Amino acid sequence: GDKVKQSPSALSLQEGTNSALRCNFSIAATTVQWFLQNPRGSLINLFYLVPGTKENGRLKSTFNSKESYSTLHIRDAQLEDSGTYFCAAEDMGYKLTFGTGTSLLVDP
Amino acid sequence: GALVYQYPRRTICKSGTSMRMECQAVGFQATSVAWYRQSPQKTFELIALSTVNSAIKYEQNFTQEKFPISHPNLSFSSMTVLNAYLEDRGLYLCGAPGLGDAEQFFGPGTRLTVL
Repeated sequence: GDKVKQSPSALSLQEGTNSALRCNFSIAATTVQWFLQNPRGSLINLFYLVPGTKENGRLKSTFNSKESYSTLHIRDAQLEDSGTYFCAAEDMGYKLTFGTGTSLLVDP
Repeated sequence: GALVYQYPRRTICKSGTSMRMECQAVGFQATSVAWYRQSPQKTFELIALSTVNSAIKYEQNFTQEKFPISHPNLSFSSMTVLNAYLEDRGLYLCGAPGLGDAEQFFGPGTRLTVL
């Protein structure tokens, strides 16, 4: 089965609303990264996490290594937040295992 | 963040032919470079992890015979897709950890189309 399960697979939000994405790990993740893939395919780094929480503007992410999950909260969603979000867990030596992605569409 | 460039951004090759893609780290030393593939409508799969002065480690389902990698110095890596077929289509990304910690930064990718 998938070592990194990401949910939901797709999400539609009204502009200005809040939501949360989640990744559950069946590997012993030591760090987690969250990315946004833009329409051209490039991965934009959002967060790099050891266990704990980080916040950047309208985004907040938590990595709980004991319970093997990570979340990405989006507050006051904007049109430019649309895209595909990926989490990726590192369990050993720079190897990232990616989640299956969440396709987010923010509507006006 | 660290800068990673990839070339070419897009390429088309005929089925059965080969193509080479390049990855350049700018402003930092890429001791390790990881190559990933994102097949259409799928997530990213690790192809191999290359460390300077060490053996290249390929993941299951990927081989050196099919995806030979060169990593001659701390700023450059290249990978060739040999004998490309339809299932090799996708976006190939290279990633490297940046300065100070293990956060990985990725290049914009090489999108391979196989006709």
